[in-house]
Amino acid sequence: GAGVSQTPSNKVTEKGKYVELRCDPISGHTALYWYRQSLGQGPEFLIYFQGTGAADDSGLPNDRFFAVRPEGSVSTLKIQRTERGDSAVYLCASSLSGGRSDTQYFGPGTRLTVL
Amino acid sequence: GQNIDQPTEMTATEGAIVQINCTYQTSGFNGLFWYQQHAGEAPTFLSYNVLDGLEEKGRFSSFLSRSKGYSYLLLKELQMKDSASYLCAVSTYSGNTPLVFGKGTRLSVIA
Repeated sequence: GAGVSQTPSNKVTEKGKYVELRCDPISGHTALYWYRQSLGQGPEFLIYFQGTGAADDSGLPNDRFFAVRPEGSVSTLKIQRTERGDSAVYLCASSLSGGRSDTQYFGPGTRLTVL
Repeated sequence: GQNIDQPTEMTATEGAIVQINCTYQTSGFNGLFWYQQHAGEAPTFLSYNVLDGLEEKGRFSSFLSRSKGYSYLLLKELQMKDSASYLCAVSTYSGNTPLVFGKGTRLSVIA
């Protein structure tokens, strides 16, 4: 079946611009996660959705970052006034129910470059 | 705080066995995952351990000791395609379940 998909695969923007990154989880998965991965590092948690609500947004670095999941499926990560330090691969993952032992399945990521 | 340590790089020979270690200190524990990540690709699930002991799955095995805060991933009969980063991740005890990842171990398999 279809896995987690993310668009765009690459995004180049200029400092100060606004970007949106999209994640389409595995059908039927209620839990959705956003992570950020810098070169040579492991993924770093940003935000977790259970259904439509953000169950844990403690990983968002500041108020320039915001994410939504209005219908409990597709999610959009929004970054305002981008900075060069935001350059990274943004990974989305989904799991069946968000249970502690649930496997998270990752998408291919969006590589964001802020010039 | 959360701390997960794994070696940065390892090199092993095709056909050999390699063990990748992971130690963790986290505020709570609900299991440990290993993921494989090829360069430029998504992490893919390899194994999950929540009880002490060894879990074997084909050429890959994963071990956990909760009392020692220690896990390892064992790869047997190494193949060139096993060259990748291996990520250790802990599911911490909280109402929600973000994974806390280590920095990953980059494994190079050489002929």
